[in-house]
This record gives sequence, C-alpha cells and structure tokens, in this order.
Amino acid sequence: QSALTQPASVSGSPGQSITISCTGISSDVGGYKYVSWYQQYPGKAPKLMIYDVSNRPSGVSNRFSGSKSGNTASLTISGLQAEDEADYYCSSYTNIYWVFGGGTKLTVL
Amino acid sequence: EVQLEESGGGLVQPGGSLRLSCAASGFTFSSYWMSWVRQAPGKGLEWVANIKQDGSEKYYVESVKGRFTISRDNAKNSQYLQMNSLRVEDTAVYYCVWEGFWGQGTLVTVSS
Repeated sequence: QSALTQPASVSGSPGQSITISCTGISSDVGGYKYVSWYQQYPGKAPKLMIYDVSNRPSGVSNRFSGSKSGNTASLTISGLQAEDEADYYCSSYTNIYWVFGGGTKLTVL
Repeated sequence: EVQLEESGGGLVQPGGSLRLSCAASGFTFSSYWMSWVRQAPGKGLEWVANIKQDGSEKYYVESVKGRFTISRDNAKNSQYLQMNSLRVEDTAVYYCVWEGFWGQGTLVTVSS
C-alpha cells in the first residue's frame, strides 16, 4: 500500500496548460482503470475531477483531462485560471483498497 | 442530491476510543461499498477502511488493523468507524466517502 508519487508542486501562468503526473506500480495504477483525481482547497473536502482515468463528472470543466500510460497517470489542466490554484491528489483503487498520491500544490502565477 | 454527513469527532486522550458516524442520503446506500479516508493536519489523504454492501468484507490500512472497526447499518443508511487504542498519529480529519463523493469531514484530535 505504498503511496503514489506526485510532484510536490507545479506552477503555471493564466491561460497556460500544466500536467501533473502520478506514478504507481503494476498492482495499482498500471493494473486498473480506476484512477481518480481530486481537487482540494484549504479547509475543504476533496472534489472529484476525473474518474476511471479520463472521465469527468457532470459539472467539471472540460479544461480538466486525464490519461494513463503504463504505471503513470496524468492530469492536464488547460487554460489555467486563478481558481484552479489548489492541491491535487491522484488515487488508484485496487478492488480492495485505495492508494493516494502525496498531493501536488498548483500555483497559478 | 448526494449527502454524506460525518459526526462523532472530538478530542480524546491517547489510548481512548471514539465512534464516528456517517449518515448518507441521495443514493441507494445498501448497493455500494463505503469507505473512510483521513487527512492529518497539513498532510495528504490516506485511505483507512472499506466495507462491502452487506458488511461481509472489510479492509483496513495496516496502521489501524486491530484497533479500528468499520461497520454499517443499511436500514439507517449509515456507516461507522469504531476507533480504539487511539494514538497521536491518528489525529486527522476523517472523511466518509462514496464513489468519489466526500462528506465535509470530522476532526479527531488525539492528545493528552
């Protein structure tokens, strides 16, 4: 049940695109389609942004997209906006337990 | 509208016990696995436990095995987390989670 690996921080200017990586192993990220991404503001509960690698829940902006290659999943945010500044977490569900990434702080410059 | 409302958090001394509750609404509770996830102050997310629809399967993160017990009451659309032998490192906001939906969380502080 080791944590997934995410960069501690990423940054970008308004209008730019950024990508956050999430690296696991073959028994979690690489072995299942159940990769999710969450956005969390300080003091708030996480909000689901992407599920099953690349699906967006209703109401989530299409500026958010997800993908996966091998043991690494990625979250891309295009057209960065000030409101995107938050912490982002990836997770992988293995049919028994969840494992989360350590989180990435996105700063919009 | 899906709602998950946790309760039962608070301040407890090391070695003490707490029981967290999560009242769910807006979906067919008895048809889904449920989970607890926690977040220590200033830290990342950590999965704590899962429970199957009928309660017949339960899984825990290694650090809480033997101390925490997850349970559910489908008649009350609720799940619970009984936490015994609490440690300082269990201090966290505990979230009730269903299929990507999270409650607002309840803070558990373990301190003398």
